[in-house]
Amino acid sequence: DQQVKQNSPSLSVQEGRISILNCDYTNSMFDYFLWYKKYPAEGPTFLISISSIKDKNEDGRFTVFLNKSAKHLSLHIVPSQPGDSAVYFCAASPTGNQFYFGTGTSLTVIP
Amino acid sequence: DAMVIQNPRYQVTQFGKPVTLSCSQTLNHNVMYWYQQKSSQAPKLLFHYYDKDFNNEADTPDNFQSRRPNTSFCFLDIRSPGLGDAAMYLCATSRGAIGQTFWLDEQYFGPGTRLTVT
Repeated sequence: DQQVKQNSPSLSVQEGRISILNCDYTNSMFDYFLWYKKYPAEGPTFLISISSIKDKNEDGRFTVFLNKSAKHLSLHIVPSQPGDSAVYFCAASPTGNQFYFGTGTSLTVIP
Repeated sequence: DAMVIQNPRYQVTQFGKPVTLSCSQTLNHNVMYWYQQKSSQAPKLLFHYYDKDFNNEADTPDNFQSRRPNTSFCFLDIRSPGLGDAAMYLCATSRGAIGQTFWLDEQYFGPGTRLTVT
């Protein structure tokens, strides 16, 4: 049973515009959330994290928003760049150590 | 400057023939993980080691075993691969420092080994 869901398998955005990637989870015990970016033929690389004591975390062009009551988090990329084209995974954990991953969203940023 | 290394990148094995995938790390991290990722699916945690302590996920088949002879290396053994075991296998590490706030404990992934079973 998939506890972390990314319902959009793909997303296309024009360069310079905002990319919004969404993630939903079912386990109310999840308290730690990470986003990973994955290029072809490479392993996922860490992007940004958030814990349940916050509702927003920002790192440069990347911002993650957490809505615990809705069990929803989103990753905003502003402005989007062609180099951002990759598969983005969200991951959630009750402990901060063992993470459950979503199926990923493939982002294409069109120049 | 590879930090998590997986060899080989591509492995072909025959149905029922044991196969071992290897992972090494230069990060000196306490925790090492093995994930299985099938096409268009989320990475699924198989097991992890916290130092020498082995933790098996409840739904990991008995066909999958792991060894961690030292801090740097971790092996995934598939005793009798079936066609359904064809997947990308990802190794990851995390600091796992005792007393550390775990939400900082991001995982560092290797490039993966793609296993084909013929």
